[in-house]
Amino acid sequence: GAGVSQSPSNKVTEKGKDVELRCDPISGHTALYWYRQSLGQGLEFLIYFQGNSAPDKSGLPSDRFSAERTGGSVSTLTIQRTQQEDSAVYLCASSLVSGQYFGPGTRLTVL
Amino acid sequence: ILNVEQSPQSLHVQEGDSTNFTCSFPSSNFYALHWYRWETAKSPEALFVMTLNGDEKKKGRISATLNTKEGYSYLYIKGSQPEDSATYLCASPPGDDYKLSFGAGTTVTVRA
Repeated sequence: GAGVSQSPSNKVTEKGKDVELRCDPISGHTALYWYRQSLGQGLEFLIYFQGNSAPDKSGLPSDRFSAERTGGSVSTLTIQRTQQEDSAVYLCASSLVSGQYFGPGTRLTVL
Repeated sequence: ILNVEQSPQSLHVQEGDSTNFTCSFPSSNFYALHWYRWETAKSPEALFVMTLNGDEKKKGRISATLNTKEGYSYLYIKGSQPEDSATYLCASPPGDDYKLSFGAGTTVTVRA
């Protein structure tokens, strides 16, 4: 079946602009995660959605970052007033019971 | 969030040679250790999930060992091929938490 998909694959934006990154998880997966990898760093947990429970936002680096998951499926990660340090690869993953299945990521470059 | 470290950061291997690299993690409150392979422009792909001390897992030419008492795992690639070129990530959750703490990865480049 189809895997996790993300769009866009690449995004170049100017400092101060808002961006939206989209994740389509594997159908039926109840858990959805967002991570990012900055240059030379490990994957950094951002946010976690599980079913109808309140999301775990403990990894969001600032209040410029927000995410929502509509209808328990598609998720959007929004970064407001982007800064150069937001440049990274943003990965989405989904899971059902165990194991996380990753999308190909969105490479965000903030000029 | 755990302190997971990987070394070396990168390595270059001649085709046909074998290689190995390390993931270290806190040994206290260990729950599981995950290995992923991340090829350029593709999704990270799960290789192994290891939970028991002394565990050894194998997938083709790639294998991994786990020492939970001293807090390290080795990943081995036997007879490296160009298609093995990728970044290899390890990750561990703090206890049975769903949040994986990832190392920065080891980038392997296999030269033909």
